[in-house]
Amino acid sequence: AQKVTQAQTEISVVEKEDVTLDCVYETRDTTYYLFWYKQPPSGELVFLIRRNSFDEQNEISGRYSWNFQKSTSSFNFTITASQVVDSAVYFCALGRIKAAGNKLTFGGGTRVLVKP
Amino acid sequence: ETGVTQSPTHLIKTRGQQVTLRCSSQSGHNTVSWYQQALGQGPQFIFQYYREEENGRGNFPPRFSGLQFPNYSSELNVNALELDDSALYLCASRSTGSRTDTQYFGPGTRLTVL
Repeated sequence: AQKVTQAQTEISVVEKEDVTLDCVYETRDTTYYLFWYKQPPSGELVFLIRRNSFDEQNEISGRYSWNFQKSTSSFNFTITASQVVDSAVYFCALGRIKAAGNKLTFGGGTRVLVKP
Repeated sequence: ETGVTQSPTHLIKTRGQQVTLRCSSQSGHNTVSWYQQALGQGPQFIFQYYREEENGRGNFPPRFSGLQFPNYSSELNVNALELDDSALYLCASRSTGSRTDTQYFGPGTRLTVL
């Protein structure tokens, strides 16, 4: 069975502070995908980043960066120099690598509130 | 914008009724998945359609059913609505077999069951 845990339910920061979101996952698959999605108040899930399990290189994309550690089954996400527009619920998700039927298993989400 | 559209935006039904939600996938995408998101929770996988057939299902009863059409658009049907069916229903599309293999979500349909 697959499981994703986001222990932080809500984080509140002041604009320009960095925000790190924690994600821990469980899976028996040897290869898989990990994702971060953002859900603003409008409700649409916005794709942010994807990481393959066989590539542990951590990267930075603009103000977003992530730290993937397969040994601890963690996939943490950082927003650098937060802005008010970053206020949203952020979901970590685990996906199976199959030709079809690769459902996403989501964590419970972390609400981020960026105050001006 | 992802190019995934859903209709209607909002819907109010009463217990016992039936509802149909619609999704138009992103151009070039051949796989559609449906998710249910209850208030304050993460999305839960309902099922997935590929080549007009269901090829993956989550822990949802048979009264949740779907269709995929030749143009890859999709419908989610829910019969005998219950109060707990009140949720945001999200549709996601992707291209099976592509290198990106990322699901892109629509804006959702918010269903309220009274």
